[in-house]
Amino acid sequence: EAGVVQSPRYKIIEKKQPVAFWCNPISGHNTLYWYLQNLGQGPELLIRYENEEAVDDSQLPKDRFSAERLKGVDSTLKIQPAELGDSAVYLCASTGATGELFFGEGSRLTVL
Amino acid sequence: AQSVTQLDSQVPVFEEAPVELRCNYSSSVSVYLFWYVQYPNQGLQLLLKYLSGSTLVKGINGFEAEFNKSQTSFHLRKPSVHISDTAEYFCAVSPLNSGYSTLTFGKGTMLLVSP
Repeated sequence: EAGVVQSPRYKIIEKKQPVAFWCNPISGHNTLYWYLQNLGQGPELLIRYENEEAVDDSQLPKDRFSAERLKGVDSTLKIQPAELGDSAVYLCASTGATGELFFGEGSRLTVL
Repeated sequence: AQSVTQLDSQVPVFEEAPVELRCNYSSSVSVYLFWYVQYPNQGLQLLLKYLSGSTLVKGINGFEAEFNKSQTSFHLRKPSVHISDTAEYFCAVSPLNSGYSTLTFGKGTMLLVSP
């Protein structure tokens, strides 16, 4: 069974440019999470989806960050415009019936 | 709200030696407790979890952890480490009524195993 797939794995952009990250969860997993992991820190939740509905986006900086999960499967996280402080790893995770979280390998963003 | 404190940012240890990674938490409600491992350039993988029952929990790769409610701790142990155990380890908690959906992570402890 394929795990959570994220792309791109690495992205380098200049500040003020847009960037998007894509996540494909494990098949059948209805709950999808985006986490932010700064260097030397633990992951912090940005947004949680139940199917296509964002049920917890309280920690998502909505002035520059947006996310969507249009058909309740794949999800995209966008930053526009990116700032230097956005350099981090963006982790996607999903859960199914057992509730256990399965993480993708992450997308590492460097903003110059 | 919950918070997790991992007391050591880095733990160096020699191969085949025992190791303990410390985790303390704070919460106004009862919580589930977790340990995750993150190998370089990879996502997090669940090592073990405490939901209820016996306070000594065994996980993958020979790791175990003991829940101590009075000390609000959930320390991770392994009696003999291998080079391949070199990784970042994260302790996490989640309120009982939210299952896995509201995980709060500690800052992580880097375990460095040398020959």
